[in-house]
Amino acid sequence: QKEVEQNSGPLSVPEGAIASLNCTYSDRGSQSFFWYRQYSGKSPELIMFIYSNGDKEDGRFTAQLNKASQYVSLLIRDSQPSDSATYLCAVIPSGNTPLVFGKGTRLSVIA
Amino acid sequence: DGGITQSPKYLFRKEGQNVTLSCEQNLNHDAMYWYRQDPGQGLRLIYYSQIVNDFQKGDIAEGYSVSREKKESFPLTVTSAQKNPTAFYLCASSKNRGMSQETQYFGPGTRLLVL
Repeated sequence: QKEVEQNSGPLSVPEGAIASLNCTYSDRGSQSFFWYRQYSGKSPELIMFIYSNGDKEDGRFTAQLNKASQYVSLLIRDSQPSDSATYLCAVIPSGNTPLVFGKGTRLSVIA
Repeated sequence: DGGITQSPKYLFRKEGQNVTLSCEQNLNHDAMYWYRQDPGQGLRLIYYSQIVNDFQKGDIAEGYSVSREKKESFPLTVTSAQKNPTAFYLCASSKNRGMSQETQYFGPGTRLLVL
């Protein structure tokens, strides 16, 4: 079973701080990594994807990938109350198989 | 306006009844997916289809059926064999340029409740 693990949270951070969300995966051959944001009662929306080791920045969001450690993270700078949501990590494992999702981390940004 | 639509938004099922959830996309995506989400759980894959007239079982296909007669449409039927169908059902699609880099985009979801 190819697994994706996330801390369920809640992760509480004050407004303006950096939120750090972490994800580990079991399949060393995994190729592509995605972060989705899901507001309560809504469907997931794509924030970022990353394919290569290192950092990828998009506005206030930075995705970090370390394939040797089988670890991917999402940093949110200058966190806002509107960032309060569940963040889902998703991984495409080896072989011709679709995305595998983690259970998500609930983030709460306190004003 | 391109996107994925799901209907209905809410659906109520009686005991022993089959119900069908609709999913349509106008993104010209080849691949489509159905997920189920329960409270506190991640998304679990029910079925997926990479091309018209072909589909594969996901991790929790028992009690569900699908068809893919048109590229734009991928309806999901929840049969009476699914004993615990109450959940949030999400449809997604992707371009299918190659599974290794498939970005999936989601519809708004259908919430199924059992009467």
